[in-house]
Amino acid sequence: DQQVKQNSPSLSVQEGRISILNCDYTNSMFDYFLWYKKYPAEGPTFLISISSIKDKNEDGRFTVFLNKSAKHLSLHIVPSQPGDSAVYFCAASVSSGNTGKLIFGQGTTLQVKP
Amino acid sequence: GAVVSQHPSRVICKSGTSVKIECRSLDFQATTMFWYRQFPKQSLMLMATSNEGSKATYEQGVEKDKFLINHASLTLSTLTVTSAHPEDSSFYICSANPRTGEAEKLFFGSGTQLSVL
Repeated sequence: DQQVKQNSPSLSVQEGRISILNCDYTNSMFDYFLWYKKYPAEGPTFLISISSIKDKNEDGRFTVFLNKSAKHLSLHIVPSQPGDSAVYFCAASVSSGNTGKLIFGQGTTLQVKP
Repeated sequence: GAVVSQHPSRVICKSGTSVKIECRSLDFQATTMFWYRQFPKQSLMLMATSNEGSKATYEQGVEKDKFLINHASLTLSTLTVTSAHPEDSSFYICSANPRTGEAEKLFFGSGTQLSVL
């Protein structure tokens, strides 16, 4: 039972353009969502998060949008840079993330071409 | 930023042997650590929650007698895969949670790729 799904295993964009990574979830109890970035041979690192009381959170080039009715969130990166090439995981949590217990999606590999 | 060190990064072992993986929080104390497993092209799946000074909490479907977790100090948790079999071959990764308990404060180790022959 995959509660968090990233249906696109890979995405390729040109440098300077927008990257949009998508994530869907099924559990309506999730109230906190996070995006992690992972380089090869390294652990995931936190990128950006959003609480279910919001529909948008922005941090520099990164913006996360949450559509609760559709149980869908997306990560926008603009402008995309070659250094953004990595695997991106979305994750969801109950209890506003305070437990630290996360449910992850399968990941999307982003390639930004120079 | 905070650092979580995980060793070894890669291990190859024979079927039937046991493998120990260490997870250390280097510059903070972690009352809670999490162990995840990732099979190829699948998501990171939570295996267990390791609590300092008490028994680990295992997720449904994870055999606690096969995956022994010890969290003897505030900076070290170990996962021992006992009597490993080829189906246990996977990527194992730990994360440590500083006392604040905020999810975005989770810090991950670099992972251990286990291959059982």
